[in-house]
Amino acid sequence: EVQLVESGGGLVQPGGSLRLSCAASGFTFSSYSMNWVRQAPGKGLEWVSYISGSGRTIFYADSARGRFTISRDNGKNSTFLEINGLRVEDTAVYYCARGLYSSDYWGQGTLVTVSS
Amino acid sequence: EIVLTQSPATLSLSPGERATLSCRASHSVDSYLAWYQQKPGQAPRLLISDASKRASGIPARFSGNGSGTHFTLTISSLEPEDSAVYYCQQRSNWFTFGGGTKVEIK
Repeated sequence: EVQLVESGGGLVQPGGSLRLSCAASGFTFSSYSMNWVRQAPGKGLEWVSYISGSGRTIFYADSARGRFTISRDNGKNSTFLEINGLRVEDTAVYYCARGLYSSDYWGQGTLVTVSS
Repeated sequence: EIVLTQSPATLSLSPGERATLSCRASHSVDSYLAWYQQKPGQAPRLLISDASKRASGIPARFSGNGSGTHFTLTISSLEPEDSAVYYCQQRSNWFTFGGGTKVEIK
């Protein structure tokens, strides 16, 4: 069974940093691209970042470029999203999702709250 | 950036009725268009990929159509459990999501 489990969210002050993790199981992780997608409270979905199966190809949304860093460790079947300089507007549920052209599996999400 | 515009914002229909949701792209996305269903408190669920391919386990009442800049998601006969927000997403140029259509069942 394919499973994606995010962790690392929490309450952070503006300007702080967080590292989100997504642990994958049930499939050959290195064969799949992964994405991070976020959803602010009561709002729609926003794609944040993409990483290819090898980790060699990375894309960021304009809103994420410069402060967000995506990475993966295929030996640990995990992908990560590091966020620096957190802003109030980064408050959202962050999902990891599997797939290149569409995302067929999603984690349950981890909530990041940025507030003083 | 390719902008996806979904309409209507809200659709209120009775069980058994047909729902037609629209997604228009600001530039052609070929057939790199997916549809997702999201219920409150849940992660999105893939319904349709490549504009018209139903994902595994998705009921046949869900169908997708279109290419280029205009796409539709049709639910042929609404069930109460279809109450949700539906999003389109393109993967032709980076990734973007539409703003969503909320389907309410009367």
